Amino acid sequence: GQNIDQPTEMTATEGAIVQINCTYQTSGFNGLFWYQQHAGEAPTFLSYNVLDGLEEKGRFSSFLSRSKGYSYLLLKELQMKDSASYLCAVRPNAGKSTFGDGTTLTVKP
Amino acid sequence: EAQVTQNPRYLITVTGKKLTVTCSQNMNHEYMSWYRQDPGLGLRQIYYSMNVEVTDKGDVPEGYKVSRKEKRNFPLILESPSPNQTSLYFCASSLAAQKAYEQYFGPGTRLTVT
Repeated sequence: GQNIDQPTEMTATEGAIVQINCTYQTSGFNGLFWYQQHAGEAPTFLSYNVLDGLEEKGRFSSFLSRSKGYSYLLLKELQMKDSASYLCAVRPNAGKSTFGDGTTLTVKP
Repeated sequence: EAQVTQNPRYLITVTGKKLTVTCSQNMNHEYMSWYRQDPGLGLRQIYYSMNVEVTDKGDVPEGYKVSRKEKRNFPLILESPSPNQTSLYFCASSLAAQKAYEQYFGPGTRLTVT
């Protein structure tokens, strides 16, 4: 089966850096994605990794280690609007997508 | 504007009354997928479609049907809804499934089955 683990909740301070971890065990690997979801809204794409290493995209970076089944999303210079749920998703094959339960991040002033 | 649309956005229905939730995208995407999201849980994939006339089961397909007769549309059909199908449903599309393209999500359909 597929299994994705990420922390349920995290809290950080405005202006700080936060790292959200994701570990996965899947029958195959075709890419790992991070999505942001504000309460009551649809998920929106943040970043993806197919190869090992760090992908940087403005204030957001994502890291992947396929051998360890591990990824993290790094958010820098936190803003209040970053308070949201962050979803880690793995594509075990071309068609399927498996999502983690999401990490609810609260940014405090 | 490039988007994924879903209708209806909100629906309250009764057990056993067949319903269809429509999904349409205007981005000429090959891949489309349906998910449900329940409180405290992540998105769970119901069905997906790699292209026209090609559909396959996700992780939670029981009680649902889909069809993909046209590239832009991917309706979700509940033949006999039950209360355990009360959920928030999202449709999503991406350029192609063979490569790791990101998915674009519709606004969601909140379904309540009484």
